[in-house]
Amino acid sequence: DVKVTQSSRYLVKRTGEKVFLECVQDMDHENMFWYRQDPGLGLRLIYFSYDVKMKEKGDIPEGYSVSREKKERFSLILESASTNQTSMYLCASSRPGTIQETQYFGPGTRLLVL
Amino acid sequence: ELKVEQNPLFLSMQEGKNYTIYCNYSTTSDRLYWYRQDPGKSLESLFVLLSNGAVKQEGRLMASLDTKARLSTLHITAAVHDLSATYFCAVAANYGGSQGNLIFGKGTKLSVKP
Repeated sequence: DVKVTQSSRYLVKRTGEKVFLECVQDMDHENMFWYRQDPGLGLRLIYFSYDVKMKEKGDIPEGYSVSREKKERFSLILESASTNQTSMYLCASSRPGTIQETQYFGPGTRLLVL
Repeated sequence: ELKVEQNPLFLSMQEGKNYTIYCNYSTTSDRLYWYRQDPGKSLESLFVLLSNGAVKQEGRLMASLDTKARLSTLHITAAVHDLSATYFCAVAANYGGSQGNLIFGKGTKLSVKP
């Protein structure tokens, strides 16, 4: 089974803090994604990466950055956390080039910025 | 720009009844996914639909795809309480590509009552 893990289930941070969210997958997937999920808005893509050291902006990259130094690990960084970044953050991974190319999701990190 | 619309957004059903969730999308795509999310949990892949007329069934859930109408349906047969969850459809944003970006609908929150 594919396993995607996220470093924290719950985080509480203060406005202005730098926040790191870590995601690790164990299936050697090339693609990794960061989404945020907000009530009534569904999932929105923040950033994705299709290879080590490669990254692409998604629909809502402002206020975020990412790092992918190793294939299995994809980090989301909030440079200076703000209250409007309070949300559920979901990481996903997939293997490109397969017919289905299903994305597998981690358990999520619920972030509260005070 | 690819847009994905689900309806209804909220659905309260009685056990034993049938109902259908609809997912419309605005531009051509080669893959459509259905995911389930239980409260406080991550997303679980249910179905991947790849071609016009594709139909997949798992237990009381059946998904179908009409690429000409750009419409997918998730049909629930004889609902049971265990099906209570939020269901998302997601459409691949890169037609024929392999980066696997998905655009998600806002989700349908299903509540099955005895």
